[in-house]
Amino acid sequence: DAGVIQSPRHEVTEMGQEVTLRCKPISGHDYLFWYRQTMMRGLELLIYFNNNVPIDDSGMPEDRFSAKMPNASFSTLKIQPSEPRDSAVYFCASSFGGSQYFGPGTRLLVL
Amino acid sequence: QQQVKQSPQSLIVQKGGISIINCAYENTAFDYFPWYQQFPGKGPALLIAIRPDVSEKKEGRFTISFNKSAKQFSLHIMDSQPGDSATYFCAASISQGGSEKLVFGKGTKLTVNP
Repeated sequence: DAGVIQSPRHEVTEMGQEVTLRCKPISGHDYLFWYRQTMMRGLELLIYFNNNVPIDDSGMPEDRFSAKMPNASFSTLKIQPSEPRDSAVYFCASSFGGSQYFGPGTRLLVL
Repeated sequence: QQQVKQSPQSLIVQKGGISIINCAYENTAFDYFPWYQQFPGKGPALLIAIRPDVSEKKEGRFTISFNKSAKQFSLHIMDSQPGDSATYFCAASISQGGSEKLVFGKGTKLTVNP
């Protein structure tokens, strides 16, 4: 298996623009997680899905953030409009039976 | 009660030495305790994990020691190598009938000097 796949790997955008991050989980995994990592706040859980259904979005910072999982093999995290404070590395992870496997991350820079 | 407290924040060890990172938790419902290793520019990678029915698990140079009564667990890296230099995260979750949502520690930056 190729592992969790994320795209793009790097994104530079200007404040106010819409940003869409993509994730393909490991086949057969029934949980999908979106995390954000910064030096100041560490690794934060934003939202997670079970069998494509959002279970807990309490970590989503505000209404500018939204996430979808239209099917078992694809999820998106959207930021609209983006702000400089959204600059971070965003990770997607998937799991089955407890062990979470992380993707390589998307490094987002909002100017 | 959902927190996992990790220490130290940073650790410097000489090559060949033993690296020890500690974590403590409050929620007795946690039943799965993984450790993740993260190199700069990479995602966290699952290193080793333990469930509370055993007190120790060893995989190569990496050992988890688990103390259920004290609600503590630790990672020991034997014969530490410069290639082990990374950030290590402990975590905990409720895996049986739970959400598989991991609660992470803040991380320990390990530097192994040659």
